[in-house]
Amino acid sequence: GDSVTQKEGLVTLTEGLPVMLNCTYQTIYSNAFLFWYVHYLNESPRLLLKSSTDNKRTEHQGFHATLHKSSSSFHLQKSSAQLSDSALYYCALRIPPEGGNNKLTFGQGTVLSVIP
Amino acid sequence: DMKVTQMPRYLIKRMGENVLLECGQDMSHETMYWYRQDPGLGLQLIYISYDVDSNSEGDIPKGYRVSRKKREHFSLILDSAKTNQTSVYFCASSPRQNNQAPLFGEGTRLSVL
Repeated sequence: GDSVTQKEGLVTLTEGLPVMLNCTYQTIYSNAFLFWYVHYLNESPRLLLKSSTDNKRTEHQGFHATLHKSSSSFHLQKSSAQLSDSALYYCALRIPPEGGNNKLTFGQGTVLSVIP
Repeated sequence: DMKVTQMPRYLIKRMGENVLLECGQDMSHETMYWYRQDPGLGLQLIYISYDVDSNSEGDIPKGYRVSRKKREHFSLILDSAKTNQTSVYFCASSPRQNNQAPLFGEGTRLSVL
């Protein structure tokens, strides 16, 4: 079945260092969409990035990610971590409607903790 | 303003009581979702709805049922709540198109004692 794996449950970084949160996925659908959501405490999870285009970098709010279909990966990166980046980050996979279900499957989530 | 609204935000129930969680959206989105969030498990899909009276089980439907009688509203019902259903529940909605990221509500924190 379709699945998303985020191996790191917690990533702790010093402010100013680069961020990389890993995401790999499994699906049979070549036109599936990949998303990164950020979730701050007591707020709604909100979209950070999305992509379905192979090898194309997508950027938003200082974060970027490139979908690599050959390795089924969609890692989230940022050149310099800020204290305000501390949050829970989810990678998610959406199956197309023609796949029968339009399902949105999430990884386990990675808590990013940025320290001074 | 595009918004997904969940009511109530906080709820405490006793084991065996019935629970109703409500979700509304003002964007006429076809697809709506219910998830629960638990530490280390991420967001797990309980039910997905494709439109009025067109609902499908997600990955963890046991102990839950849903109702969608209007496109704008999607309810999650727990008949005879159990302590292991203590969690934070999130509703989301999106257009049917695959490239549209679902929009989430702020969640309902449910405690079953």
